[in-house]
Amino acid sequence: DVKVTQSSRYLVKRTGEKVFLECVQDMDHENMFWYRQDPGLGLRLIYFSYDVKMKEKGDIPEGYSVSREKKERFSLILESASTNQTSMYLCASSLLYSNQPQHFGDGTRLSIL
Amino acid sequence: QKEVEQDPGPLSVPEGAIVSLNCTYSNSAFQYFMWYRQYSRKGPELLMYTYSSGNKEDGRFTAQVDKSSKYISLFIRDSQPSDSATYLCAMSEGSGGGADGLTFGKGTHLIIQP
Repeated sequence: DVKVTQSSRYLVKRTGEKVFLECVQDMDHENMFWYRQDPGLGLRLIYFSYDVKMKEKGDIPEGYSVSREKKERFSLILESASTNQTSMYLCASSLLYSNQPQHFGDGTRLSIL
Repeated sequence: QKEVEQDPGPLSVPEGAIVSLNCTYSNSAFQYFMWYRQYSRKGPELLMYTYSSGNKEDGRFTAQVDKSSKYISLFIRDSQPSDSATYLCAMSEGSGGGADGLTFGKGTHLIIQP
C-alpha cells in the first residue's frame, strides 16, 4: 500500500512565522501535491511537483512556496504565516500521468494565531 | 471549464439502506473517474477508479459512469454506520503529465443512522 506521511497532525503557529510542512511518500511516485481543504470550498491545489527540483503553481499559490530536493519528500513553506492560512493541509502523491489516482496523507491541521 | 458539482448534504439514511451519491460535470473530455472516502480528521482514501462509461463493482460499492449525461454515481449497498464519511468524486481528462491532475467535487457528507 502507498503510504504518504505528513510530519505533523496538528500545528499551532503565530502570525508572521515561517512555517514548514513536510510530506514523505514511500512508493517512488513522480508527482506530489499540496492542497488545502476548507469547509464549503473543497480541496484547492496550492502547488505540485512532477520531478525533483520541479514545481508548478496550482490554483492558490500566493503566500506559499515549495521545495522538492528528493523524490520522496515535498515540503510546503508558508513564508510569513497569516490567520487566513489556518486550514487543513493535505499532501498527495501519484504516478506520473495525470489520470492516475492520488494517494493522500492524513493531513496537518494548522492554526495561525 | 472544469467544474464538478456535488451535493454537499448531509445525506442521512438508515442502516441497511442503499445509498446513491452523485456528481455531475461539464467537461466532456473527462475520461477517468474516482471516488474517495474521507473520515473526519483523516485524509481522503481511494475507493473506486474507473475509465470511461460503464459500471465497476467492488464488494458493497458500485461506481457508475454515464459520459453521455456527464453524470457519475457511487452506490453503497447494505450501508453500515462505518460508511459515515464525506465522499469526494474526482476526474481527469487523460494520460498526459501531471499538469492537469485531478478535478475534485467538494464532497457529500453521508450519515448512516444505526
